[in-house]
Amino acid sequence: GAVVSQHPSWVICKSGTSVKIECRSLDFQATTMFWYRQFPKQSLMLMATSNEGSKATYEQGVEKDKFLINHASLTLSTLTVTSAHPEDSSFYICSADTDRSYGYTFGSGTRLTVV
Amino acid sequence: DQQVKQNSPSLSVQEGRISILNCDYTNSMFDYFLWYKKYPAEGPTFLISISSIKDKNEDGRFTVFLNKSAKHLSLHIVPSQPGDSAVYFCAARLRNSGNTPLVFGKGTRLSVIA
Repeated sequence: GAVVSQHPSWVICKSGTSVKIECRSLDFQATTMFWYRQFPKQSLMLMATSNEGSKATYEQGVEKDKFLINHASLTLSTLTVTSAHPEDSSFYICSADTDRSYGYTFGSGTRLTVV
Repeated sequence: DQQVKQNSPSLSVQEGRISILNCDYTNSMFDYFLWYKKYPAEGPTFLISISSIKDKNEDGRFTVFLNKSAKHLSLHIVPSQPGDSAVYFCAARLRNSGNTPLVFGKGTRLSVIA
């Protein structure tokens, strides 16, 4: 139980285009989801906290206009990378607190490559 | 300032022996600690956790020890198996005041050699 489904698992896009990444909680309601980014051989860095029905809270240094987060329902949060640049190439992962003994569940991640 | 530190970027262990992965933290307000296992291009998978009110939690081959006075925790895997080879992240959560994100260490790459 407590599955978070993340799509797509990988995407290649051209510079200047936008890419949307979806995270769905399949068997629980997630009022809050977290979006992380991981660079090669680095830790998972929190980008923003996504709250259902309200604006996301962004970490310092994360551009709100570039990384648009929408959490319109209790089971879906989306991250849109707008006007993508090669430096946005990274591994993006979402997470939700399941309120269960195993704590936070992560999506399978999205590998974004901007060419 | 990194609040969760995993000072060993990598560790190699022979199959059948014990793997010990270490993690230090600086924030005394953390109340819950978790270990995640991660393969390349996949999301982290929950392994084991421990509340700050405990000093040990065991689940099969995995045991997590917490030393609050030293702000240190460790993950023991015994016996180690080749399938345990992955990156292990230590994570911590601030004392609950609503939904709070996890703070991660940089990870330790474990290689179990057959």
